[in-house]
Amino acid sequence: DADVTQTPRNRITKTGKRIMLECSQTKGHDRMYWYRQDPGLGLRLIYYSFDVKDINKGEISDGYSVSRQAQAKFSLSLESAIPNQTALYFCATSETTGRETQYFGPGTRLLVL
Amino acid sequence: KNQVEQSPQSLIILEGKNCTLQCNYTVSPFSNLRWYKQDTGRGPVSLTIMTFSENTKSNGRYTATLDADTKQSSLHITASQLSDSASYICVVSPSNNLFFGTGTRLTVIP
Repeated sequence: DADVTQTPRNRITKTGKRIMLECSQTKGHDRMYWYRQDPGLGLRLIYYSFDVKDINKGEISDGYSVSRQAQAKFSLSLESAIPNQTALYFCATSETTGRETQYFGPGTRLLVL
Repeated sequence: KNQVEQSPQSLIILEGKNCTLQCNYTVSPFSNLRWYKQDTGRGPVSLTIMTFSENTKSNGRYTATLDADTKQSSLHITASQLSDSASYICVVSPSNNLFFGTGTRLTVIP
């Protein structure tokens, strides 16, 4: 979806390096999320933010940190990347998490060597 | 434990045929259930959202059903097309959280 963009789309990095994944949205949504997807596993929530001043840990937040720089921007950082963080990462937005739909970005494929 | 299980894991059907994908969940309390379609290399896209009181919801050739008593949902695809080849993910929400199934990989062949 062009309304939710992620950069970079693909990234290869080495163990121990710091890396940042960025997400931008033009939908005007307050809520933003970071997920990772691994083969054979469902999407798992890393962090979520209900507004600029609200950051919450998800199911698997260890080893990750986030920054909500503005309503439209939500970044995910790996302070010291490790190989088991190799995965497909998705950013998503929604107006609320009740009945509202989540809109996903195209994903960032990360390989940690 | 809150879980969402989907079956089958993968499915191959001929173009034009119908198919049904299954989702069983143990998530409680229940708020809503969603079906997403995820094309290879892309983010999931919402197909349907159903609340407790809704038994069926259609979106074109996609029809989702929900039985909240047995905690089961199905996604029926009618007259399949090659573009239906994708993973279909069932997502159950208790409130401000989402539990994702691992998906069913559907391949439609000519």
